[in-house]
Amino acid sequence: GQQLNQSPQSMFIQEGEDVSMNCTSSSIFNTWLWYKQDPGEGPVLLIALYKAGELTSNGRLTAQFGITRKDSFLNISASIPSDVGIYFCAGQLAGAQKLVFGQGTRLTINP
Amino acid sequence: GAVVSQHPSWVICKSGTSVKIECRSLDFQATTMFWYRQFPKQSLMLMATSNEGSKATYEQGVEKDKFLINHASLTLSTLTVTSAHPEDSSFYICSAGFVSNQPQHFGDGTRLSIL
Repeated sequence: GQQLNQSPQSMFIQEGEDVSMNCTSSSIFNTWLWYKQDPGEGPVLLIALYKAGELTSNGRLTAQFGITRKDSFLNISASIPSDVGIYFCAGQLAGAQKLVFGQGTRLTINP
Repeated sequence: GAVVSQHPSWVICKSGTSVKIECRSLDFQATTMFWYRQFPKQSLMLMATSNEGSKATYEQGVEKDKFLINHASLTLSTLTVTSAHPEDSSFYICSAGFVSNQPQHFGDGTRLSIL
């Protein structure tokens, strides 16, 4: 089936550093979504992207929908302890309702 | 606030028991909901698409008779794990979108532990 390659798998950073993660696919997606999941909870939507080239911010988070529609990245600026968690990208193919998820990026922050 | 509610959040039961998990859309109607399964340190795996008023669509490799899905109303879908065994222990999560082309919102998940 469809797969998204998300990298890096894990990140260990110092508080205050910027973070960047990305997802790539061999397929073209109509929608890219970024979610954050805390332990024992469901994923929470961070940013939704609907157009190729679209750059969207949500506070310290910025995400872009790649021009080729086969990739997306998420940046977090000036990380804080509450940014700790697992970040997932998800893509939606044209005409499809179901999502394809990346493998996740586990973010750990050293205070 | 939460737009998708999932219940129970945690259940422990004996092997052979059937367990029902509810997923409710709050303040909106969802003709389609989705059920996922997540193992520790892994990504979400789609199990099935729940369609209001019709049969669910299961992903390849997911046993229909094992994981019964009912979507009898526009705000409620249920997943029943029948005759659960320890290998069914996992984190089950549902999701729904306001409309088909809008992003899905997830419930808080149900931690299922089969002894």
